Order: sequence, then structure tokens, then C-alpha cells
Amino acid sequence: QVQLVESGGGVVRPGGSLRLSCAASGFTFSDYSMHWVRQAPGKGLEWVTFIRYDGSNQYYVDSVKGRFTVSRDNSKNTLYLHMNSLRAEDTAVYYCAKGSGYADHWGQGTLVTVSS
Amino acid sequence: DIQMTQSPSSVSASVGDRVTITCRASQGISDWLGWYQQKPGRAPKLLISGASSLQTGVPSRFSGSGSGTDFTLTISSLQPEDFATYYCQQAKTFPYITFGQGTRLEIK
Repeated sequence: QVQLVESGGGVVRPGGSLRLSCAASGFTFSDYSMHWVRQAPGKGLEWVTFIRYDGSNQYYVDSVKGRFTVSRDNSKNTLYLHMNSLRAEDTAVYYCAKGSGYADHWGQGTLVTVSS
Repeated sequence: DIQMTQSPSSVSASVGDRVTITCRASQGISDWLGWYQQKPGRAPKLLISGASSLQTGVPSRFSGSGSGTDFTLTISSLQPEDFATYYCQQAKTFPYITFGQGTRLEIK
């Protein structure tokens, strides 16, 4: 069965950096595009970024452009989110999700807290 | 940007009730609309894609309809496990997808 397991969250100071990982199993990772979606505490879902199955194109929500970078290593079945210049408003649970127009499988999420 | 607006923001209902949640897009999105269910502390789960196509394993009491700007999610007979928050999501501007603000379905 499809499994997505995020890791790498934690507490970071404003201006700091963090790298999230998403380990995929149960499907042919290199055949599928992936999203990162976040959810601030008590709030709704916000799409963050998308990467095509082969890593050829990446897309970002305006609020993270120039600060976040999505990448993938298909040989390791792993998706990454590199986050720089973190702000308080980036505090959220970050989910990786498989799919294109719709996210048909999600990981359990990893919490990122940006606080001094 | 396409904005998605759900109504109501919250609703109270009883087991066995029929419940309808509405999602309105700020511009036409054809049938590029999905519905998700999220329970507290859990990841969202895709219920419906393409406005009305039920995902495998989703109970038939869930149904979706609509096209253009107005969409509905209907639960025909609420079960205890259906109390959750529901989100709509437009895929017209894929990969730039956007979600509605959510509708919290609570037990009356």
C-alpha cells in the first residue's frame, strides 16, 4: 500500500533553515508527481509546492518563492523540501502528498515551528 | 487566482441526517473540483475528484455534484465516523491548486 513518511520538522528560529524529507513506498515513486501542502495550527490547508515526476519542473505558492526549494531523488524514493529564511508564518504541519491535480495519498505530516 | 469559498463554515447534525456542504469558485473551473475529509490530528483523505467521482473505498453515502462555479458534497445518512472537517480543492489551475477554508461537521 502507498506510504508517505515525512521527517525533519522541528523548532527553528526566524531566518533559519530546515530540510524536510518524505520517504515513499508502495508505489513507483519515479512515475508520480508530488506536492507539499501545509496547515498552520487550527487553520486550513495551503498548497506550497509541486514537482513533476522526473523533477523537471517545480512550482511554488508566491509566499515561499525564493525561500523554499522542492527536489526529489528518485533513486532513493524520497521527496525533499528545503526551507530557508523561515518566518513565523511558516509555522505549520507540512504534508507531502502524491498526485497531480488531486492529492490521492498523504503522509502523516511533520510539524515546523518558527519561533525565537 | 481562483478563490474557493465553502459554506457553511460549520454545521451541527445528527447521525442519520442528510448533510450538504457547498463550495463556490470565484471563476469557472468546469469539473476540476475535489473534496477531502480530515479528522483531528490526521492527514486529509481524498473522497471525490472531478466533482463527482468517488475514490475507491469511499462509502456510497458520499456524493458530489456541480460544474462551473457551484459544487456540493452530500452525505446521505451521517455515520459517527463522518464527523470531521471537509475541504474542497480546485484543480483548474493545476499545479497551482487552492483549497476552500473548510467546513467543520459536528455532532448535534
